Amino acid sequence: DSGVTQTPKHLITATGQRVTLRCSPRSGDLSVYWYQQSLDQGLQFLIQYYNGEERAKGNILERFSAQQFPDLHSELNLSSLELGDSALYFCASSARWNTEAFFGQGTRLTVV
Amino acid sequence: AQTVTQSQPEMSVQEAETVTLSCTYDTSENNYYLFWYKQPPSRQMILVIRQEAYKQQNATENRFSVNFQKAAKSFSLKISDSQLGDTAMYFCAFMKHGGGATNKLIFGTGTLLAVQP
Repeated sequence: DSGVTQTPKHLITATGQRVTLRCSPRSGDLSVYWYQQSLDQGLQFLIQYYNGEERAKGNILERFSAQQFPDLHSELNLSSLELGDSALYFCASSARWNTEAFFGQGTRLTVV
Repeated sequence: AQTVTQSQPEMSVQEAETVTLSCTYDTSENNYYLFWYKQPPSRQMILVIRQEAYKQQNATENRFSVNFQKAAKSFSLKISDSQLGDTAMYFCAFMKHGGGATNKLIFGTGTLLAVQP
């Protein structure tokens, strides 16, 4: 158990809908990262938050947004969902810069 | 931009034997970290081993060791005494080091390793 908790584990929704994925980092970790794993794109970095502030953006679509709350949990919001958004979404956390990230078990999103 | 390449999509090894997974990367950075992550069928991403680029000594974690060749930008993973539980997808990953830098991971495409009984 990495200590990073993601909910839900599975999510099935229809095209055009909006969903929210939740992540609780390891106790004391200030950095949260979101990654997308899909068959065609592999594992891609989406966005990073550090102590409530956005730190870096990767290949994140405009339809996607995220935030980190004062208690350090994070949410990834995906809207106007398309079939191609079906993927495994990972959250990871780390204690400070330049340390390894610990991953949650992922949320499997299926858009039908 | 940094890139990570894993040229072996699939590999197979007999139980108790040794296998080496290849990874090359491209970067103009001098300070960085390299990682191997394991993703078993449970989908969990598990850190296997980590190497700091400034360290010449190759990292070792029990049955797992790396061969880090900085000049060649090569970072291979050796698994000794392979066990059935080693069956998984293995990802090589790069992370830039330094103040002001995000420590996002850049992943390779993965190598699916099957350990045969």
